[in-house]
Amino acid sequence: ETGVTQTPRHLVMGMTNKKSLKCEQHLGHNAMYWYKQSAKKPLELMFVYNFKEQTENNSVPSRFSPECPNSSHLFLHLHTLQPEDSALYLCASSQDAGATEKLFFGSGTQLSVL
Amino acid sequence: SQQGEEDPQALSIQEGENATMNCSYKTSINNLQWYRQNSGRGLVHLILIRSNEREKHSGRLRVTLDTSKKSSSLLITASRAADTASYFCATEPNRDDKIIFGKGTRLHILP
Repeated sequence: ETGVTQTPRHLVMGMTNKKSLKCEQHLGHNAMYWYKQSAKKPLELMFVYNFKEQTENNSVPSRFSPECPNSSHLFLHLHTLQPEDSALYLCASSQDAGATEKLFFGSGTQLSVL
Repeated sequence: SQQGEEDPQALSIQEGENATMNCSYKTSINNLQWYRQNSGRGLVHLILIRSNEREKHSGRLRVTLDTSKKSSSLLITASRAADTASYFCATEPNRDDKIIFGKGTRLHILP
C-alpha cells in the first residue's frame, strides 16, 4: 500500500455520461496530481494541486474538471468524454509540489469510454 | 517533446541475470528518478539521483548518472520473477519545476 487510494478501479462509461474519479491520500502530503497513462505514450501530467490550490493545468480539455476540497482528497469529474480518453488515470501525492519530490501513486482507475 | 527516453523498450532475461536499462534525456536536469510499475498498478518510486551524484545504490539496484552524456542507467542485479514490471525514468529539467516521464522499459524475467 502506498497510502494513496483511488476509486473506482475500473470504469466504463458512455460518451454522454457524467462520472467522477476519487483519490484520497493518508500521508499528510500537501500536493496532489492527476496523470493520464495511455498505451505506448509517456505518462502525461494533467493537473497539480498544492495546498488545495491548482498550480498546473497542462492544457487539459474542459471535459475533465478537477476538484480538491482539501489536501487529502482529489476528484476528477468527467463529462462528455471521447473514446480517445480511454486510459489509466493515476493520482499521486507528494510532500510538497516540486520536481525534487518523490511521488506516491495510487493504483489508478482504468477508464473505458464507449 | 519528450524529455526522457528509456532503452530498450522491452527486455527479457533469465531469472538470476542482471538487467540494465538506460535513460537518455535532452536538457540539463536537477535530478533524475526511477520508478517501477507493475501491470495495471500505479508507479512506485525506486531511487532519486541528483545532478551532482554519479552513482547511487539501493539494495539490488544501482543507478548511474552521466550528465555529460545526458544519460542514466538502472541496473538490477540477480533478477527475480517479482522484478517483472515496467521501469520509467523521470527527469526534472532545470528551468521547469515539473517531473517528465519517459515511455518506460518493459522488463520480463523468465523462470
